[in-house]
Amino acid sequence: GESVGLHLPTLSVQEGDNSIINCAYSNSASDYFIWYKQESGKGPQFIIDIRSNMDKRQGQRVTVLLNKTVKHLSLQIAATQPGDSAVYFCAENPILTGGGNKLTFGTGTQLKVEL
Amino acid sequence: EPEVTQTPSHQVTQMGQEVILRCVPISNHLYFYWYRQILGQKVEFLVSFYNNEISEKSEIFDDQFSVERPDGSNFTLKIRSTKLEDSAMYFCASSQDSNQPQHFGDGTRLSIL
Repeated sequence: GESVGLHLPTLSVQEGDNSIINCAYSNSASDYFIWYKQESGKGPQFIIDIRSNMDKRQGQRVTVLLNKTVKHLSLQIAATQPGDSAVYFCAENPILTGGGNKLTFGTGTQLKVEL
Repeated sequence: EPEVTQTPSHQVTQMGQEVILRCVPISNHLYFYWYRQILGQKVEFLVSFYNNEISEKSEIFDDQFSVERPDGSNFTLKIRSTKLEDSAMYFCASSQDSNQPQHFGDGTRLSIL
């Protein structure tokens, strides 16, 4: 039969605009979340993390929001640049509830920055 | 900035052959991991390793797979008898502690013929 890969959702933004990438996670026991950026031919690159005792965390040009009620995570990138073009993954990890330290990755979102 | 390095970047192997993928984790990290990503699919956890033993493994990590830290710097993944479906990108990662971010290498592309 035909092998079908995942169809990545794509977000296209203009350079200089803000980007918002969303992620729904599945495990209500997850208490640690990480956003990774993956450029073509490279491994996942750590961007920012957040623990379940927080609902917002800011980094340089990036903000992560966590809504545990609806199991939703978002990554906001301010003033998006061409170098931000990549696939973005959220990953979850149920550390504190004894789930070990394996990451479960989401599907990923392709961010395309248009000049 | 310290990084995880993986070799080779691309490995081509005949089905049924053994393959060893190599990783040098970040030097002060204590936790080590292998993940794989089949083309067009999600990154999937294979195994985590701490204090010279496996701490967790997934269903994918069957008895054809093994990991080893042969010295103070290398961390290897061995597949004993490769199958076509083992073709994937294999990523090594390391973290300083179990509740710290995992940092990934750029992967080894494994192609089984």
